[in-house]
Amino acid sequence: LAKTTQPISMDSYEGQEVNITCSHNNIATNDYITWYQQFPSQGPRFIIQGYKTKVTNEVASLFIPADRKSSTLSLPRVSLSDTAVYYCLVANQGGKLIFGQGTELSVKP
Amino acid sequence: NAGVMQNPRHLVRRRGQEARLRCSPMKGHSHVYWYRQLPEEGLKFMVYLQKENIIDESGMPKERFSAEFPKEGPSILRIQQVVRGDSAAYFCASSPPGHPSSYEQYFGPGTRLTVT
Repeated sequence: LAKTTQPISMDSYEGQEVNITCSHNNIATNDYITWYQQFPSQGPRFIIQGYKTKVTNEVASLFIPADRKSSTLSLPRVSLSDTAVYYCLVANQGGKLIFGQGTELSVKP
Repeated sequence: NAGVMQNPRHLVRRRGQEARLRCSPMKGHSHVYWYRQLPEEGLKFMVYLQKENIIDESGMPKERFSAEFPKEGPSILRIQQVVRGDSAAYFCASSPPGHPSSYEQYFGPGTRLTVT
């Protein structure tokens, strides 16, 4: 089981780019890296998933170096509504998602 | 296209009562997962079900908790003889049929259980 480590909290201001890094030193060859977002009093929402290099969608970008021992979620030009907890997950062990503590992002005006 | 639906959204029970939480997966989804989130903590996997089958219940407490996903109707998470430590948010998620290792699970809004 690949454990993930990410900062407990981060602060940012509106309009800035936010990068949240997650380390997963024991990631296995067939593991994928997935990020979820959770707003207060809501269920988590899938943001992005990748295996290697770079993945981009309408919400975020995910950067994964060649050794895959870490990954960085990049949120361009954040707004107040991006204030949430962001979870980095590796693998899902046949159906179940293993959530860590997540990173609590606070975006200030 | 309705998302995952859970009801009730809020549930208050006294110690010793039973709690029944319902989850209707997204249309066409045949995999259902239940997670529990204690205050100030991350989500913890409880159980993974397909229609009429429990696939993985490794996260379920050994006593008082049970789950089902019948052929017809919603998935039910049942907690008997609730205690204060059961107070938490319970989230249901679903994913489409096919390979079970789907990283993209769709979560419902959760049921917040309070035990008094």
